Amino acid sequence: AQSVTQPDIHITVSEGASLELRCNYSYGATPYLFWYVQSPGQGLQLLLKYFSGDTLVQGIKGFEAEFKRSQSSFNLRKPSVHWSDAAEYFCAVGAGGNKLVFGAGTILRVKS
Amino acid sequence: DAGVIQSPRHEVTEMGQEVTLRCKPISGHDYLFWYRQTMMRGLELLIYFNNNVPIDDSGMPEDRFSAKMPNASFSTLKIQPSEPRDSAVYFCASSLGPASGNTIYFGEGSWLTVV
Repeated sequence: AQSVTQPDIHITVSEGASLELRCNYSYGATPYLFWYVQSPGQGLQLLLKYFSGDTLVQGIKGFEAEFKRSQSSFNLRKPSVHWSDAAEYFCAVGAGGNKLVFGAGTILRVKS
Repeated sequence: DAGVIQSPRHEVTEMGQEVTLRCKPISGHDYLFWYRQTMMRGLELLIYFNNNVPIDDSGMPEDRFSAKMPNASFSTLKIQPSEPRDSAVYFCASSLGPASGNTIYFGEGSWLTVV
């Protein structure tokens, strides 16, 4: 069965610093991969998605992610973090059918 | 365009009471999902519908939970009787096509507290 691992429960970065959130998935074929962001008290907003093609995917708010099949990873990056990026980030895999499986989430704190 | 609309946003109820959560999906979307989010279990898919028909309810925790979709623009998730362990955020989501290849759009959630 497919699964998603986000190894970091919490990450703290300084405003203006670069960010990388890790995501590893388990699935035999090429997965559909997503990153969502959840601000406190809000629903989930899609940041970006990978279905096929270019393995470097650009998303909203200056985020990007790179699909690496050899490492079964889909890490999220941002070159310069803003205080408004503080939120919880979820990686998800859709691998057949309609069960989009989510990771446990990574809480991002931004210090000024 | 309006997104997925859920009501109520917050609900506090006493154990044993019936709870009904409501959802209006994005117009034209033919898939509707109900997810539950808790600290312990994260985001779990409870049930999903395709063209108003329940397709997979294997994530529904118990018989106390039921979901309906009487038409393309409305769905309900009902808990009867409610228990404190049902306290969670319940998200409704919709997509234009299967989840594996399409974007799922989430509502802002219904925050349920059972005391």
